[in-house]
Amino acid sequence: DAGVIQSPRHEVTEMGQEVTLRCKPISGHNSLFWYRQTMMRGLELLIYFNNNVPIDDSGMPEDRFSAKMPNASFSTLKIQPSEPRDSAVYFCASSFERALLNEQFFGPGTRLTVL
Amino acid sequence: DAKTTQPTSMDCAEGRAANLPCNHSTISGNEYVYWYRQIHSQGPQYIIHGLKNNETNEMASLIITEDRKSSTLILPHATLRDTAVYYCIVRVSGGSNYKLTFGKGTLLTVNP
Repeated sequence: DAGVIQSPRHEVTEMGQEVTLRCKPISGHNSLFWYRQTMMRGLELLIYFNNNVPIDDSGMPEDRFSAKMPNASFSTLKIQPSEPRDSAVYFCASSFERALLNEQFFGPGTRLTVL
Repeated sequence: DAKTTQPTSMDCAEGRAANLPCNHSTISGNEYVYWYRQIHSQGPQYIIHGLKNNETNEMASLIITEDRKSSTLILPHATLRDTAVYYCIVRVSGGSNYKLTFGKGTLLTVNP
């Protein structure tokens, strides 16, 4: 299994531009998570999907952020318009919810820099 | 979820055992202790978890005190590749209990 796949790995954009981050979870997993990591705030959960449905988006910072999961094998996190304070590493993770272990498998992350 | 307290940083010599402590004095009876680590420029990686009994897998051992108020993650023979930030997390396991709340963790540096 290739694990959780994220693209792009690095993104540099200018303030005001739209940014789309992509994630392919592990096949068979039914839960998907988007996290953001910064030096100041550490790792924060942004949104959680279960069976392609958003369950908890309380961590989404503001309306500029949106996430979708059109099917079990693909999710996007969009920032429009982007701002310099959005610069961070964004991680996608997936898990199989019914398993007792509930271990989350993380992707390699997308390093976003907004100039 | 119960709060955890970990040292900010630790050093270990290559080939020696690394013992990483975690305090979780407010842990509830149905909360598990989880350990994840994050190697530089990578996503977090699950290591091990336990409830009451000590646990061991191919990566590490987890020792939980009898009162469950603290635990120790043991890497028996640390290598340079074990240099990472180690996170101790306590949470209810299974089903819809999905939240992993990451604190600041312990930066373990394994020295040659």
